[in-house]
Amino acid sequence: AQSVTQLDSQVPVFEEAPVELRCNYSSSVSVYLFWYVQYPNQGLQLLLKYLSGSTLVKSINGFEAEFNKSQTSFHLRKPSVHISDTAEYFCAVSEVNTGFQKLVFGTGTRLLVSP
Amino acid sequence: SQTIHQWPATLVQPVGSPLSLECTVEGTSNPNLYWYRQAAGRGLQLLFYSIGIDQISSEVPQNLSASRPQDRQFILSSKKLLLSDSGFYLCAWSLGLAGHNEQFFGPGTRLTVL
Repeated sequence: AQSVTQLDSQVPVFEEAPVELRCNYSSSVSVYLFWYVQYPNQGLQLLLKYLSGSTLVKSINGFEAEFNKSQTSFHLRKPSVHISDTAEYFCAVSEVNTGFQKLVFGTGTRLLVSP
Repeated sequence: SQTIHQWPATLVQPVGSPLSLECTVEGTSNPNLYWYRQAAGRGLQLLFYSIGIDQISSEVPQNLSASRPQDRQFILSSKKLLLSDSGFYLCAWSLGLAGHNEQFFGPGTRLTVL
């Protein structure tokens, strides 16, 4: 079974500052890794994912995440945040080669960007 | 393009009353369908998933049930609601059986049980 830990429930940051949202996972098998974002009162949207290859993956809105197998981490970063980045961010994993995708989510990190 | 609908958007129900939440997907065929519950401070919990009509798998034993009467319709039900059933219910869909496929989420239903 897999588990995902997001230690920071809330991260306050000023606009244009850098931010890192931490994600650690536990699994006895290979996994795919995902970051989903949830804006207020909306469903979740995929932000980025790591499947294989380059360990650094990027989204179209400036976020990036790096897969670190030795540390079982997939931290999300952005060098300069905007007010519009205020949202809840969920890290998730799914097992490779199960024949069906079941996502296991972390508890989420609320990013609060203030002017 | 594909879209996913959920209704109602919000619901306030008394303890012991029945529940029916509906999810429909448009623009695709034979999707995998999922029901999640998001409770405060607890992230998303997978409740049910379905890979086809009348094929439902339950992840968490509880007083909720799910049905899939049509290919693109997924219903979450309860005969008697508990206070602990309060939360934000999200429906999602994906295609294929690969673990790397993206799941697409609906707008959610906020359920308050009083």
